[in-house]
Amino acid sequence: EIVLMQSPGTLSLSPGERATLSCRASQSVSSSYLAWYQQKPGQAPRLLIYGASSRATGIPDRFSGSGSGTDFTLTISRLEPEDFAVYYCQQYGSSSFTFGGGTKVEIK
Amino acid sequence: QLQLQESGPGLVKPSETLSLTCTVSGGSISSSSYYWGWIRQPPGKGLEWIGSIYYTGSAYYSPSLKSRVTISVDTSKNQFSLKLRSVTAADTAVYYCAHSGSHYAFDYWGQGTLVTVSS
Repeated sequence: EIVLMQSPGTLSLSPGERATLSCRASQSVSSSYLAWYQQKPGQAPRLLIYGASSRATGIPDRFSGSGSGTDFTLTISRLEPEDFAVYYCQQYGSSSFTFGGGTKVEIK
Repeated sequence: QLQLQESGPGLVKPSETLSLTCTVSGGSISSSSYYWGWIRQPPGKGLEWIGSIYYTGSAYYSPSLKSRVTISVDTSKNQFSLKLRSVTAADTAVYYCAHSGSHYAFDYWGQGTLVTVSS
């Protein structure tokens, strides 16, 4: 089973700053099957990025994804107040899905 | 636009079976060539994939839960279901149903339902 490790656990930033979130896999992941989600308290996760770098429908272009192999990154170019939330990466491979442990982006 | 809604008991006793159903609207469960899945989230913790099923009935489960989980699909009712046997307090969580489309990303989610395991 592929393990996804997200870092940092918590990111303290101010609105307008750039956020860089990391997702590292225990073995190579197909870029086609790497996704990122945003979750706010009391809500279901929302798909942000699929295929490592494609934005889901309605997702602002300040969100971007990159990476390949075992190292993937979610970047939020300029944090808006509504972007403070928890972010998860997720992979699919060999008929199995796994999620990373999450990164909380909090207001500094 | 797909909509998913979980339903089932909010309280289950230890050692019993947790049973949840996800009702799909806005599309046919048998028209998707991708997975319908269950994901859970213990209070204050991260997301855990439980298992997924194709509309044909082929199911795949998390290795850590495989011995206790069954996921099934009822195309006539446009529903899929989760059964988790021999539950303990560690199974207390918000349970989500979701659809994974192209690229196997979960693009549509239910609102989630809290299931508490307690006597």
